[in-house]
Amino acid sequence: DIQMTQSPSSLSASVGDRVTITCQASQDISNYLNWYQQKPGKAPKLLIYDASNLETGVPSRFSGSGSGTDFTFTISSLQPEDIATYYCQQYDNLPRTFGPGTKVDIK
Amino acid sequence: EVQLVESGGGLVQPGGSLRLSCAASGFTFSDHYMDWVRQAPGKGLEWVGRTRNKANSYTTEYAASVKGRFTISRDDSKNSLYLQMNSLKTEDTAVYYCAIDFWSRDAFDIWGQGTMVTVSS
Repeated sequence: DIQMTQSPSSLSASVGDRVTITCQASQDISNYLNWYQQKPGKAPKLLIYDASNLETGVPSRFSGSGSGTDFTFTISSLQPEDIATYYCQQYDNLPRTFGPGTKVDIK
Repeated sequence: EVQLVESGGGLVQPGGSLRLSCAASGFTFSDHYMDWVRQAPGKGLEWVGRTRNKANSYTTEYAASVKGRFTISRDDSKNSLYLQMNSLKTEDTAVYYCAIDFWSRDAFDIWGQGTMVTVSS
């Protein structure tokens, strides 16, 4: 199975700050990576697919990049409504595996 | 509107069984692969398994943690997905979501609201 790691596990930032989360795969997964946002008590929501493509309707302050084993997710200007946990997920093969998540809150 | 609605969760004793359902609407259910993803309390997301569509012979795949205990099935005539869970363990306690790759991008772009399963004596 492909193992996914994320860092940091949590972060606290101010409104307007740039926030960056990294995700690393245990083997080369090309660009077969998605990013999800999950708010407490809610189902996950797809934000980024194919490592860098923004899902329709998702604000442009969210972005993703990377390929191979190393990926980055960025919020260019943190907003109060972005408080959530963010997960990366690989789809290079089965089983689909998720990173452990990064919890983002407001300082 | 594309919608997935899970049901069937509840409290069950270790070693017991439970069957979850996922009712789909707003799209051609029979065309799509369907997946189950779970989330233990306070923990991350774990893929449980998948059923492919008729064109792919309804084949199924499972996570190692549930293989041999859980069975995924579907009834295209009822637009419904099922998860039969047997020999339940306390570590199966989780919110169970059904999810689909609606736009065929290998991403879970539509999720249900989840149903809670608690395995406890």
